Amino acid sequence: EADIYQTPRYLVIGTGKKITLECSQTMGHDKMYWYQQDPGMELHLIHYSYGVNSTEKGDLSSESTVSRIRTEHFPLTLESARPSHTSQYLCASSERTNTEAFFGQGTRLTVV
Amino acid sequence: AQSVTQLGSHVSVSEGALVLLRCNYSSSVPPYLFWYVQYPNQGLQLLLKYTSAATLVKGINGFEAEFKKSETSFHLTKPSAHMSDAAEYFCAVSVRTDKLIFGTGTRLQVFP
Repeated sequence: EADIYQTPRYLVIGTGKKITLECSQTMGHDKMYWYQQDPGMELHLIHYSYGVNSTEKGDLSSESTVSRIRTEHFPLTLESARPSHTSQYLCASSERTNTEAFFGQGTRLTVV
Repeated sequence: AQSVTQLGSHVSVSEGALVLLRCNYSSSVPPYLFWYVQYPNQGLQLLLKYTSAATLVKGINGFEAEFKKSETSFHLTKPSAHMSDAAEYFCAVSVRTDKLIFGTGTRLQVFP
């Protein structure tokens, strides 16, 4: 069973607030990812990391930022939340290239 | 660049009927292919994966998929649908990269 955790599960926050979505995994995976999933279901890669101190932007431009100070932790931060950031955010990790990714349960963010 | 196309954003079947969810890929080199399932308000769970071994891949919950290079397809099937199979299904591809590229998803509805 995959051990990757996201907190909070649900978050409703006002416009302009700074928020951090947490993601942690206990599998020792080097590769971690953040996907954004809109109500139409499609997943878009917004950030990924190959390991500690490595972060890359994904295929979908995002105003969020990420950090990877520890292998197990890959938080995503929005400095100033806007209603357009309302979405579901999914964190994932994988052991190596071309292997499956394990997903957390997601954070559903609503910015009002 | 690699991509996947899922034909049909919604599929409806009766309980006990065959489930067929279609996925076609585009890749100039042999791909790694995956099927994931997502239940409401959950993350993605791996159903099965193709990694260039057997072309017929068996997964969890009675699902299987067949890799057909000549048709560039990786369709997901299940002989007999259960009510519990109702969910979103995603096909994904990885080609010598650390990123999974997802299709747009197919919502499966199962009627009694």
